[in-house]
Amino acid sequence: NAGVMQNPRHLVRRRGQEARLRCSPMKGHSHVYWYRQLPEEGLKFMVYLQKENIIDESGMPKERFSAEFPKEGPSILRIQQVVRGDSAAYFCASSPRDRYNSPLHFGNGTRLTVT
Amino acid sequence: KNEVEQSPQNLTAQEGEFITINCSYSVGISALHWLQQHPGGGIVSLFMLSSGKKKHGRLIATINIQEKHSSLHITASHPRDSAVYICAVRTPSSNYQLIWGAGTKLIIKP
Repeated sequence: NAGVMQNPRHLVRRRGQEARLRCSPMKGHSHVYWYRQLPEEGLKFMVYLQKENIIDESGMPKERFSAEFPKEGPSILRIQQVVRGDSAAYFCASSPRDRYNSPLHFGNGTRLTVT
Repeated sequence: KNEVEQSPQNLTAQEGEFITINCSYSVGISALHWLQQHPGGGIVSLFMLSSGKKKHGRLIATINIQEKHSSLHITASHPRDSAVYICAVRTPSSNYQLIWGAGTKLIIKP
């Protein structure tokens, strides 16, 4: 019973390149959430997706960032034209329902370093 | 003032000691999470509470809704418990955005 799988664990990109972060939710989970943790800071919500729908992207920067959760396959967080300030740990969580009593399961994160 | 405050910020203790980490919040909540994060590692959800007390192995979490306070206890602490422990709350207006505490860095010395 695999948990939330994120890959890659570590990603190094040069400024201006694109970064693609993948998240496969737990089996049976249809709700995916992305959070960002900047160095020495707490986690911040970025986006909430259900299959083929973006429900809430209020925490995501308006430019260069996009997310999707297709009918088949993992959720993808895409950062175009990365800058040094994008260096952070990106965590994905999933849940079976969007209910207050529905537990969140987190992945191990992807650590993005922009050089 | 942060909506979720944790104390202490850092805690160093000897193996075997009883550990308490506190979390106070100022907003109305629908649930409170305790999570564990190892250096360079992922986040593990330890507990989700909306009332009372939960126990899992050597870990105990309690919450007092009236006082807006939760505690995480570790009995018979071990060096492998060394990690950052994070308190995060869900509010009725959002089940997923979570308001995160700054974390408590725990070091258990052998």
